Amino acid sequence: AQTVTQSQPEMSVQEAETVTLSCTYDTSENNYYLFWYKQPPSRQMILVIRQEAYKQQNATENRFSVNFQKAAKSFSLKISDSQLGDTAMYFCAFGNTGTASKLTFGTGTRLQVTL
Amino acid sequence: GAVVSQHPSRVICKSGTSVKIECRSLDFQATTMFWYRQFPKQSLMLMATSNEGSKATYEQGVEKDKFLINHASLTLSTLTVTSAHPEDSSFYICSAGTDYGYTFGSGTRLTVV
Repeated sequence: AQTVTQSQPEMSVQEAETVTLSCTYDTSENNYYLFWYKQPPSRQMILVIRQEAYKQQNATENRFSVNFQKAAKSFSLKISDSQLGDTAMYFCAFGNTGTASKLTFGTGTRLQVTL
Repeated sequence: GAVVSQHPSRVICKSGTSVKIECRSLDFQATTMFWYRQFPKQSLMLMATSNEGSKATYEQGVEKDKFLINHASLTLSTLTVTSAHPEDSSFYICSAGTDYGYTFGSGTRLTVV
């Protein structure tokens, strides 16, 4: 069974600064997907970024980028130029290939962006 | 993009009654729907996986008879909390896989009084 670990329960960053959220996972699969989801106070789950394990290039989406280290089973999220709207819970998730595969979530990191 | 519509967003019910939560995929066909439960300040816990036209697969420890899941069509999956009790109060979220990842409903906050 896969496990996902987020070791930072809470983090804080000043507006315009950069912050990195950590995530490690454990799996015996070779091909899979990794995700970062954002859950603001509205509790709507929003996809931030997705990484396919067979792709060596790190995924980027505007101010969001990942550092995917497959051998180390590490998948950290970097948020650049942090904005107040980035304040939310961030969940790292693991999924096998296929839309019928369930996601395994980490425990989450609560990010607070301050002025 | 793919949208999953979840209703109701909030529901308050009396202890002993049943509550139905609906999730509809609006612009795609969801062969599989995942149902999660989330307690305050905690992560999402997978309750069950529903597949169109077949019985749902429940995670260990989830009572099948209490949490009835029906996936009668490719666009509709429902979760019915039967004989609800205060300990069933929680936030319930559905999710479906798409070509781009997983899309989530907006969630249902259930309060049992």
